[in-house]
Amino acid sequence: QQQVKQSPQSLIVQKGGISIINCAYENTAFDYFPWYQQFPGKGPALLIAIRPDVSEKKEGRFTISFNKSAKQFSLHIMDSQPGDSATYFCAAREKAAGNKLTFGGGTRVLVKP
Amino acid sequence: DAGVIQSPRHEVTEMGQEVTLRCKPISGHDYLFWYRQTMMRGLELLIYFNNNVPIDDSGMPEDRFSAKMPNASFSTLKIQPSEPRDSAVYFCASSLSRVTGKTYGYTFGSGTRLTVV
Repeated sequence: QQQVKQSPQSLIVQKGGISIINCAYENTAFDYFPWYQQFPGKGPALLIAIRPDVSEKKEGRFTISFNKSAKQFSLHIMDSQPGDSATYFCAAREKAAGNKLTFGGGTRVLVKP
Repeated sequence: DAGVIQSPRHEVTEMGQEVTLRCKPISGHDYLFWYRQTMMRGLELLIYFNNNVPIDDSGMPEDRFSAKMPNASFSTLKIQPSEPRDSAVYFCASSLSRVTGKTYGYTFGSGTRLTVV
């Protein structure tokens, strides 16, 4: 059972464009939603995260939008750059489950110059 | 801090051989996680430890897989005997149980790419 569903699997965006990745979840016990960025040959690295009591969080060109009632959250990459080309994973934590993170399936983003 | 350190970075072994992957978590982190990443299945949690004690090993695919954490600074994941379908990238990650600063998250190692031929 996939507890966190991520879409799309891949996307191509032109330099300067906006990349949008969406995630949906069912488990209302999730209390923390991080996004990870992974470059080839590297482990995933924490990019930005949000708690469900906040509807939006912005850090530089990266913004998370959170819709608690719809149980959906998304990552927006503004002014996408070739260096943003990577695989992005959304995740959700259930604190009662020992801080375990459940990851989405990943989105491979390619930013064309 | 050197981060989470995994070794070896690459491992090629023959089917039936024993494979041991190693991980050194960040000092002071009390959670340690082992993940497997494949194209087909994405990131799968295999097992995790809290204060060196295994908490949930429900993701370990078969009895051929075992993991230990003898102390706070070292963990191993062993596959015996290895099979070609075990080929994947294996990641170790560590974290704190309490939220510090503005965010909580795992710190991943660079992974071990395992190829079983």
